[in-house]
Amino acid sequence: DTGVSQDPRHKITKRGQNVTFRCDPISEHNRLYWYRQTLGQGPEFLTYFQNEAQLEKSRLLSDRFSAERPKGSFSTLEIQRTEQGDSAMYLCASSLTGSNTEAFFGQGTRLTVV
Amino acid sequence: DAKTTQPNSMESNEEEPVHLPCNHSTISGTDYIHWYRQLPSQGPEYVIHGLTSNVNNRMASLAIAEDRKSSTLILHRATLRDAAVYYCTFRSYNTDKLIFGTGTRLQVFP
Repeated sequence: DTGVSQDPRHKITKRGQNVTFRCDPISEHNRLYWYRQTLGQGPEFLTYFQNEAQLEKSRLLSDRFSAERPKGSFSTLEIQRTEQGDSAMYLCASSLTGSNTEAFFGQGTRLTVV
Repeated sequence: DAKTTQPNSMESNEEEPVHLPCNHSTISGTDYIHWYRQLPSQGPEYVIHGLTSNVNNRMASLAIAEDRKSSTLILHRATLRDAAVYYCTFRSYNTDKLIFGTGTRLQVFP
């Protein structure tokens, strides 16, 4: 297994366009997390899945954001009608269930909204 | 969500030990303390975690205060490759989600 992979690594889009990011977790991991990180800040939690079920969404996740994890494998994060404030690094992480396990992060997708 | 407090930045010379402190006075009794580090343009990387007892692994040691309100990440001999932002986080018992603060930027000088 090559770890958590995210695609694309970079995305430049015009304001108002929709974008979709993909995350492929480590295959046996049932937990999958999405985070957003802006310059100089730590990652901010957005949402997480237990298998295919989305169990929690942060208040940061406005109605323009939606995430899915069909069949409990890969996940997608879609942002509709992008705004300049959406420019950030979007990070995906996966892990086994349990607070005593380590989480593995992907390298992120850097979104720039122009 | 419980919060962590870390110094914004620290400096070290190569091959010297580094002690990175973290305060987490609101931690719950079942939350694990996790440390991650992040190199520029990369996702965070796991370093170490613990609940109550001190922990050692090949990367670092974690010293946890008896009251669990603080912890210290110890890098025994800093190298230039250890220069990164280090995050002290919790992993919640119920959701396993990691809550990050702003971290400590460690600079290592040759």
